Amino acid sequence: AQTVTQSQPEMSVQEAETVTLSCTYDTSESNYYLFWYKQPPSRQMILVIRQEAYKQQNATENRFSVNFQKAAKSFSLKISDSQLGDTAMYFCAFMKHNTGNQFYFGTGTSLTVIP
Amino acid sequence: NAGVTQTPKFRILKIGQSMTLQCTQDMNHNYMYWYRQDPGMGLKLIYYSVGAGITDKGEVPNGYNVSRSTTEDFPLRLELAAPSQTSVYFCASSYSVLGGSNQPQHFGDGTRLSIL
Repeated sequence: AQTVTQSQPEMSVQEAETVTLSCTYDTSESNYYLFWYKQPPSRQMILVIRQEAYKQQNATENRFSVNFQKAAKSFSLKISDSQLGDTAMYFCAFMKHNTGNQFYFGTGTSLTVIP
Repeated sequence: NAGVTQTPKFRILKIGQSMTLQCTQDMNHNYMYWYRQDPGMGLKLIYYSVGAGITDKGEVPNGYNVSRSTTEDFPLRLELAAPSQTSVYFCASSYSVLGGSNQPQHFGDGTRLSIL
């Protein structure tokens, strides 16, 4: 079974500063994907960034970037120039590439951006 | 496009009652999923389907049933509601191949279910 661990239940950051959210996972699979999702109070699940395990290059999406360490099974999210709208729950998710493409989610990190 | 539509958005049930959470998608996705999200936790997979007529259990299937008679619809049935099933339920859908699409899974807005 796949497990995803987010060891930081809550974090805060000053507006315009940088913050890093941690995620580790455990799997014996070699072909998989990793994602970060944002869930604001509206409960919507919003994809922030994705990483294919076979790609060595770390994914970036504007102010969001990841540090993917495959051997260490680590997948952290860096948010630069934090904005008030970044306040939300952030979930790390693992997807093994097979029939069904099941997702496994971490328990989440609640991020608060302080003005 | 409506995307993934879940009904109802809120519901209160009494212990032992039954109900069906509805989910429909208009993107012609083969794969559909049901998750539950307990307070302060991540989403856990209840059931999933890879096509009409095919369903399979996820991590937490006990107390639930599903069916997939059409590509569009994937209802979730609670037969004997229990307080432990108080949660927010999300339906999601996706293509079978994870290509360059930015959205690996499209999520509905969730159903908040309380069982008292």
